[in-house]
Amino acid sequence: QKEVEQNSGPLSVPEGAIASLNCTYSDRVSQSFFWYRQYSGKSPELIMSIYSNGDKEDGRFTAQLNKASQYVSLLIRDSQPSDSATYLCAVNMFSGGYNKLIFGAGTRLAVHP
Amino acid sequence: EPEVTQTPSHQVTQMGQEVILRCVPISNHLYFYWYRQILGQKVEFLVSFYNNEISEKSEIFDDQFSVERPDGSNFTLKIRSTKLEDSAMYFCASSEFKENEQFFGPGTRLTVL
Repeated sequence: QKEVEQNSGPLSVPEGAIASLNCTYSDRVSQSFFWYRQYSGKSPELIMSIYSNGDKEDGRFTAQLNKASQYVSLLIRDSQPSDSATYLCAVNMFSGGYNKLIFGAGTRLAVHP
Repeated sequence: EPEVTQTPSHQVTQMGQEVILRCVPISNHLYFYWYRQILGQKVEFLVSFYNNEISEKSEIFDDQFSVERPDGSNFTLKIRSTKLEDSAMYFCASSEFKENEQFFGPGTRLTVL
């Protein structure tokens, strides 16, 4: 069973701090990795994609990928109360030639003023 | 900015009834997906669709489910005889290429009574 694991949290950080979210995955052949943000009662909103080892930065967000360790992370700098949400790690499972996303259970982030 | 749309936003039905959930993917996207999220649980893959046929389906996607692209813009999910356990948020997603980012619609909340 191919799995994506995340710490459910909640992760509580003060406003302005760095939030660090982590994810591990079991399928070694996975090639595409995504972070989605989901507010309560809403749909997943894509915030970052990463395809190769290393870091990828976009504004306040940095995704980090280590395929050898099967580990992907998301850093949020200068955290704001509006960042309070559940962050979903999703891995593209390339089974059968077509992609499907396998999601982790999500980490709840709470940014307090 | 192009987005995935879904209708209705909320559907209430009686157990055993048929429901059709509708989605309009982003216009230049070629790959379409349905996911569902039972309250408090992970986002789960149901089915992927490309070139007018199912590419992959999960074990959840049994004979009660079907998908169709009836015209050049709509993508539908039909549940033939709904069960109480089908109550969930159903998300449609689309991507331009098979390993690319998937963009999610706002979802349809299905309540089976």
